[in-house]
Amino acid sequence: EVQLVQSGAEVKKPGESLKISCKGSGYTFTTYWIGWVRQMPGKGLEWVGTIYPGDSDTRYSPSFQGQVTISADKSISTAYLQWSSLKASDTALYYCARRGTTMELFEYWGQGTLVTVSS
Amino acid sequence: DIQLTQSPSFLSASVGDRVTITCRASQGIRNYLAWYQQNPGKAPKLLIYAASTLQSGVPSRFSGSGSGTEFTLTISSLQPEDFATYFCQQFTSIPLTFGGGTKVEIK
Repeated sequence: EVQLVQSGAEVKKPGESLKISCKGSGYTFTTYWIGWVRQMPGKGLEWVGTIYPGDSDTRYSPSFQGQVTISADKSISTAYLQWSSLKASDTALYYCARRGTTMELFEYWGQGTLVTVSS
Repeated sequence: DIQLTQSPSFLSASVGDRVTITCRASQGIRNYLAWYQQNPGKAPKLLIYAASTLQSGVPSRFSGSGSGTEFTLTISSLQPEDFATYFCQQFTSIPLTFGGGTKVEIK
């Protein structure tokens, strides 16, 4: 059974750094792209970026390029989304999701990680 | 970027009703469209891909159609578990984009 298990909720102050994780199991982690999707409170879905854990090839949405870093550690089947300096506007629920085999859509989703940035 | 506009953004319906949601793309995306269902407090769930192909395990009361710039998601007979928010997503080009969502509530 394919599973994506994300790290727990975080409460941070503006300017702090953060790295959240997404551990895949039940499939060959290195052969499927993993994406991150943001959902701000009460809002819709926004694609942040996607990584191929096999070679760490990464693509970012222009809206998030330079604002976050996506990485992966294939030795522990885990993808990451990180910020070096959080803003209040980063407050949102962040989902990781496994991409389809040949299509850029998301077949399996993690449970989401709530990130709250507040002074 | 390709913009996706869903309509309506909110609809009220009863169990057993036939419901149709529309997703319009700002430019042609062939059939590179997916639909997701999101229940409150849950992650989205893939329902349909390539505009009209039902994901494995999704009930047959869900169907999708369209190509180019106009797409529809239809629920033939609304069930209690279908009251949720629905999103479309295009995957023809980067950046991937989603529609704004359609919330289906109980009348």
